[in-house]
Amino acid sequence: KAGVTQTPRYLIKTRGQQVTLSCSPISGHRSVSWYQQTPGQGLQFLFEYFSETQRNKGNFPGRFSGRQFSNSRSEMNVSTLELGDSALYLCASSTGTGTHEQYFGPGTRLTVT
Amino acid sequence: ELKVEQNPLFLSMQEGKNYTIYCNYSTTSDRLYWYRQDPGKSLESLFVLLSNGAVKQEGRLMASLDTKARLSTLHITAAVHDLSATYFCAVDFGNEKLTFGTGTRLTIIP
Repeated sequence: KAGVTQTPRYLIKTRGQQVTLSCSPISGHRSVSWYQQTPGQGLQFLFEYFSETQRNKGNFPGRFSGRQFSNSRSEMNVSTLELGDSALYLCASSTGTGTHEQYFGPGTRLTVT
Repeated sequence: ELKVEQNPLFLSMQEGKNYTIYCNYSTTSDRLYWYRQDPGKSLESLFVLLSNGAVKQEGRLMASLDTKARLSTLHITAAVHDLSATYFCAVDFGNEKLTFGTGTRLTIIP
């Protein structure tokens, strides 16, 4: 079974630009969550989608948004990039039931200059 | 406030020794997860603990959960260099939203 995939793996953007990150979950998984990892703040929850609906949202500004498609693939968008948005963005998928175990993708490393 | 605390933050230990990483959390939950992260890599799932008294073992690692004390432990037995990594505990407080601990950076010295 293929794991969680994320594209692109690396990204360099300039302040003020916007960026879209993509995540393909494990086949059959309907829940996709996004996390931001930085050295200063650690791992922080951004949002979670289940069957195209956002079920949970973390404490991030409205510049961070996401969506999920009918095939469970998810995208995350960050508008008006700031230097502090530089981070590793991790996507995780789960079935949304049972153990609720989340399987993480390789991440997208975003650098904002 | 939902909080997860891990200690120690850094752990340097010799090969062959035993040690324990502690994970405390602030409020009721019966879903706790342990992950491993190697430098520059993503998170690898190690253990899923879903009930009070749950104990899981894989190789030299053993994890346990005490929901009454709101405490989980990750015990390392006879450490080997390959176990050097950062270990995270994460708690699901009921809504598919994982709250992570700060992580424990483990270094095994030959």
